[in-house]
Amino acid sequence: AQRVTQPEKLLSVFKGAPVELKCNYSYSGSPELFWYVQYSRQRLQLLLRHISRESIKGFTADLNKGETSFHLKKPFAQEEDSAMYYCALSAPGFQKLVFGTGTRLLVSP
Amino acid sequence: NAGVTQTPKFRVLKTGQSMTLLCAQDMNHEYMYWYRQDPGMGLRLIHYSVGEGTTAKGEVPDGYNVSRLKKQNFLLGLESAAPSQTSVYFCASSSGQALTDTQYFGPGTRLTVL
Repeated sequence: AQRVTQPEKLLSVFKGAPVELKCNYSYSGSPELFWYVQYSRQRLQLLLRHISRESIKGFTADLNKGETSFHLKKPFAQEEDSAMYYCALSAPGFQKLVFGTGTRLLVSP
Repeated sequence: NAGVTQTPKFRVLKTGQSMTLLCAQDMNHEYMYWYRQDPGMGLRLIHYSVGEGTTAKGEVPDGYNVSRLKKQNFLLGLESAAPSQTSVYFCASSSGQALTDTQYFGPGTRLTVL
């Protein structure tokens, strides 16, 4: 079965510091990976997806199939990055996403 | 274009009461989902639907029922509410055309069962 693990419940950094939110997955095939974000008092929304290989709001994520990881990175955190971040996986034949338990990022001034 | 809407936004129930949560989307999406969000447990899928008239169980379906009589609506029912069902409930939809589809989420319903 597919599983997504986010080992950190809370990540607290200072403004301007680098950020890495960890995500590991278990799936034997070729999954699609996503990062969703939920800002305070807002609905959950897509941040980025692996297939797009894009940088959104300065965030990037690289799929490492050898380590089965999809860590989210940003070189310089901003206070407005404070939010709940969820890693998610989609696999062929499965009509749904599997979410991790989420990491709360807190960026302090 | 409202996207995904949920009714109601808040609700307090007593143990044993029943209620229905309504999710509506105006994006002509095929797939719809119900999740619950609990601290430390993330988002867990309750039920989902891949088209009008279809439903399927997710990760935590016990105590819930769903119906998708119209493509744009997905109803989540609690027949006999329990305190363990206190949670924030999110509905989502997607086109269902590709693995890389974006799921669009509603604003959530905060349910408290006393």
